[in-house]
Amino acid sequence: SYELTQPPSVSVSPGQTARITCSGDALPKQYAYWYQQKPGQAPVLVIYKDSERPSGIPERFSGSSSGTTVTLTISGVQAEDEADYYCQSADSSGMVFGGGTKLTVL
Amino acid sequence: QVQLVESGGGLVKPGGSLRLSCAASGFTFSDYYMSWIRQAPGKGLEWVSYISSSSSYTNYADSVKGRFTISRDNAKNSLYLQMNSLRAEDTAVYYCARAFVVVTAPRPDAFDIWGQGTMVTVSS
Repeated sequence: SYELTQPPSVSVSPGQTARITCSGDALPKQYAYWYQQKPGQAPVLVIYKDSERPSGIPERFSGSSSGTTVTLTISGVQAEDEADYYCQSADSSGMVFGGGTKLTVL
Repeated sequence: QVQLVESGGGLVKPGGSLRLSCAASGFTFSDYYMSWIRQAPGKGLEWVSYISSSSSYTNYADSVKGRFTISRDNAKNSLYLQMNSLRAEDTAVYYCARAFVVVTAPRPDAFDIWGQGTMVTVSS
């Protein structure tokens, strides 16, 4: 199966914009999904189909796709957004997660 | 409300077996693919297996193929994972998750509901 590559960490000050990337050769052909995981908690879906936001997810979370890279953007970052973020995709061979990115709010 | 509750985790010796269960409530269980995902201590998420709504389709990660078996009982709103020949590297929190289909099946695309997980420790 293929791989998804994320940066291990991203740091941002409150109120700024955080961008977390996810790269993979299959991404031009497959949708990407993003999950937020806070310590000791289960993951939560924050973006589906590259750029759609589930109900209940704040508007400051958005997603985009360009070629082999998808990006999760958090505008006006808040302290509560500090968490691990995982991208994920799927094909006929199975489902794969990126390695995760720890977002630190300075 | 929509809920998934895992059980069955614990300490097991290498080579041993364990059966995990996941009880679903708050939605029509028989309408959905279901999946197991695990997370080793301090590590990232790893998809383990999924099963279709009627049990017609199953798929496994290479790391567990031939050792783990996923199953479900729609009458009991329950999902299971039978884990045999366990190894130290299987030590993880195991999450049950509801999977949904975006692209034409027979496979799910992502997970919208997660349980809180059950810890499996493989150690002598």
